[in-house]
Amino acid sequence: DAKTTQPTSMDCAEGRAANLPCNHSTISGNEYVYWYRQIHSQGPQYIIHGLKNNETNEMASLIITEDRKSSTLILPHATLRDTAVYYCIVSPLRNQAGTALIFGKGTTLSVSS
Amino acid sequence: GAVVSQHPSRVICKSGTSVKIECRSLDFQATTMFWYRQFPKQSLMLMATSNEGSKATYEQGVEKDKFLINHASLTLSTLTVTSAHPEDSSFYICSASPAGGPFTDTQYFGPGTRLTVL
Repeated sequence: DAKTTQPTSMDCAEGRAANLPCNHSTISGNEYVYWYRQIHSQGPQYIIHGLKNNETNEMASLIITEDRKSSTLILPHATLRDTAVYYCIVSPLRNQAGTALIFGKGTTLSVSS
Repeated sequence: GAVVSQHPSRVICKSGTSVKIECRSLDFQATTMFWYRQFPKQSLMLMATSNEGSKATYEQGVEKDKFLINHASLTLSTLTVTSAHPEDSSFYICSASPAGGPFTDTQYFGPGTRLTVL
């Protein structure tokens, strides 16, 4: 079973920041927080992952609380092409455990003009 | 980044026939690949873990004799849906993690294969 809780859906205006929350209160010390998104009828796309420090890349920023029980994915300037289902997943680093990613229901983000 | 391809992207077959889906890692080697299935308006469900050179590990409820998995090389895993029935119609997605290099700590997904069984 997925170990994360996310809102079912969120709306965002184009050009504004989209902040997607995720609760993972039972996260273990060796588990990372991963974010993927799935645009309709495509395979999931990797966005970002982190352990305890905040992370930023060209797609997004990941803010993880100090107790690691929740995190927020931030898309700084949402565009219409960011409309997708966003999945927050906790998992050990793959190359350490060789485990699959288990997907929950995710958050459907709708970006409108 | 790492690229995973799937072939075919879409297939329609008659009930009772078998369908093979290929998953390839294009620019990296993968000792482990994963197969998922996704029904409309649902999330991805893990079907099996495919290990190069050994038998696949199936999730509970997934029939290993119906969904044959072969991982014959470090860049190719195949999923064969045998004696397909309409209830097997779904979106099949594979993923892989690089065995070495700078991207070993995450999985990369293929674009998916839409299977429709008539």
